[in-house]
Amino acid sequence: EAGVAQSPRYKIIEKRQSVAFWCNPISGHATLYWYQQILGQGPKLLIQFQNNGVVDDSQLPKDRFSAERLKGVDSTLKIQPAKLEDSAVYLCASSLRGSGRADNEQFFGPGTRLTVL
Amino acid sequence: TQLLEQSPQFLSIQEGENLTVYCNSSSVFSSLQWYRQEPGEGPVLLVTVVTGGEVKKLKRLTFQFGDARKDSSLHITAAQPGDTGLYLCAGAGSGGSNYKLTFGKGTLLTVNP
Repeated sequence: EAGVAQSPRYKIIEKRQSVAFWCNPISGHATLYWYQQILGQGPKLLIQFQNNGVVDDSQLPKDRFSAERLKGVDSTLKIQPAKLEDSAVYLCASSLRGSGRADNEQFFGPGTRLTVL
Repeated sequence: TQLLEQSPQFLSIQEGENLTVYCNSSSVFSSLQWYRQEPGEGPVLLVTVVTGGEVKKLKRLTFQFGDARKDSSLHITAAQPGDTGLYLCAGAGSGGSNYKLTFGKGTLLTVNP
């Protein structure tokens, strides 16, 4: 079974530029998550989709970050304009079940490492 | 805001030694998960504990959930170099029907041959 795919793996941009990340979840997984992991910290949830609807985006900086999952399968996360503090690894995860279970298992992709200069 | 404190932050040991890492919070969690993350990869789930006082074993790894469901520990027996990685605990809080995960900062374990 193929895992969660993400691209690109690495991206270097200058501040105020825009950038987009792509995620393809495991086939059949209804729930998709985007996390931000700053160096030395654990992942922080940015946004969660159930099919193509947003379940939680309370920690997404909506003035510069946006995400979509139009067909309920793959997803894109965009940053515009980027700031220095956006340098981090952006992880995508998916789960078979919705997040309405305490034992819900999330499967993570390898992440995209973003460096903002 | 639910916070998870992990300790120690860094741990470097020799092959064959035993170790324990801790995950503590002042909040109650519906469940707690432990992940291991290797460089350049995403976290991989090791175990989920749901019941207060629950103990789960995975080969040389033993996981325990505190009775009050506020803390957890991970014990590794006879550590091997392949155990090297970042160990993350994540608590599932109950925000209505959505069990959002809150991650700790992790314990970076290095096992030297």
